[in-house]
Order: sequence, then C-alpha cells, then structure tokens
Amino acid sequence: ETGVTQSPTHLIKTRGQQVTLRCSSQSGHNTVSWYQQALGQGPQFIFQYYREEENGRGNFPPRFSGLQFPNYSSELNVNALELDDSALYLCASRYGQGPNTGELFFGEGSRLTVL
Amino acid sequence: RKEVEQDPGPFNVPEGATVAFNCTYSNSASQSFFWYRQDCRKEPKLLMSVYSSGNEDGRFTAQLNRASQYISLLIRDSKLSDSATYLCAVQGSGGGADGLTFGKGTHLIIQP
Repeated sequence: ETGVTQSPTHLIKTRGQQVTLRCSSQSGHNTVSWYQQALGQGPQFIFQYYREEENGRGNFPPRFSGLQFPNYSSELNVNALELDDSALYLCASRYGQGPNTGELFFGEGSRLTVL
Repeated sequence: RKEVEQDPGPFNVPEGATVAFNCTYSNSASQSFFWYRQDCRKEPKLLMSVYSSGNEDGRFTAQLNRASQYISLLIRDSKLSDSATYLCAVQGSGGGADGLTFGKGTHLIIQP
C-alpha cells in the first residue's frame, strides 16, 4: 500500500477525445510526477509538479497537461487522443523535489485504451 | 544509443540459482540510480537504490560502475516469488525535476 491512488483504473476512449486521469497522493508529498508506460516498455517521464507548479517535463507534446492541487491530488489531461496514447499512466509522489529526497511511490495506474 | 538499456530477457532461472542483470546508461552526469521491481500489470516498486560503494539488502546486491556507466543487480538463492520484471532507473543531473529515465526492463522467470 503506497498511499497513492489513481482513478479510473481502466478506461476506453476514441481518437480525438480528451481524457482526465486523477491521482491522490500521500499527505505531505508535495512532489507528484506522471509517467506513461506503453506495453513492453519502461515508464516514460511526462512531467513533474512541485507545490502546484510544473517544474520538469519530458519529451511529450503540449496536449499532455496537468494540474496539482493543495490537497495533494493531481490530474493528467490529454487532449486530441491518438492511438499511440494507449498505455498505463502512472502517478508517483514523494516528499521534496531533489534527487535524494526519498522513495518515489507509484500508484497502481490508469490503463487507457484509445480506439 | 538509448539512454538506459537493459537486456529484456526473459531470463529463465531454476529456483535457488544466482542471477545477475546489467543496465547501461548513456548520460555520464547521471546522479542517482535505482532498481525497481514490477509485477505483471502492477505498478513499479522500489527494490533498491544503488550507491557508488555498492549495497546489499538480504539476497539482493546492487553495484554501480561510473567509469563504464552501468549498474548491476545480483539475486542470490532465487525464489519463485522473485519472478517479475526488473526495471533500471536513472536520475539525471537536473535534480528531481527531470524525472527518472527507465530501461525497458528485464523479465525474470524463476522455475521450480
């Protein structure tokens, strides 16, 4: 039990639609990051939020956006869905933002299928 | 060259055997290194952080070789429950804000 919960666990969308995925982190975890894991691949870093501001981003287009809220919850929004967006989306949280600020706790993920 | 590379396997190993995985990384400025374990259709879970001096946790030993830019994981006396995918992860030099770069993972199957 990591204390990181994600919803929904599974969802199906069609190309061109928009999706919002949600994450609730442990109390006190002021850093949250999102990863995309396609089948047979390792997780890929999408972006990170620290105290409600994006402070790091991987190689993902602007149609991937996010929000972090003061109550340790966060959202990942994806617009104009493409077939290649089908993946497991993982939320991860920890205390602090530096490289050695403790373990990164992952949620169980939201599995998105785009048809 | 990919940033973090792992042999995808699968590694089929008899119970009780010792198995070792390597992972190479391309960014020489990388700061932190980790091994994660991921069970089928589950989230990654931190197995070990990897330090320059090497570290051991029970049957698991991790080593870092900065000169050759690889990290390794050794599992001794393997158990059936060790069957999983092992992901290597590297943290860049930009602090925590650049996220972790993961390899594709090495699939381990422990056979009775």
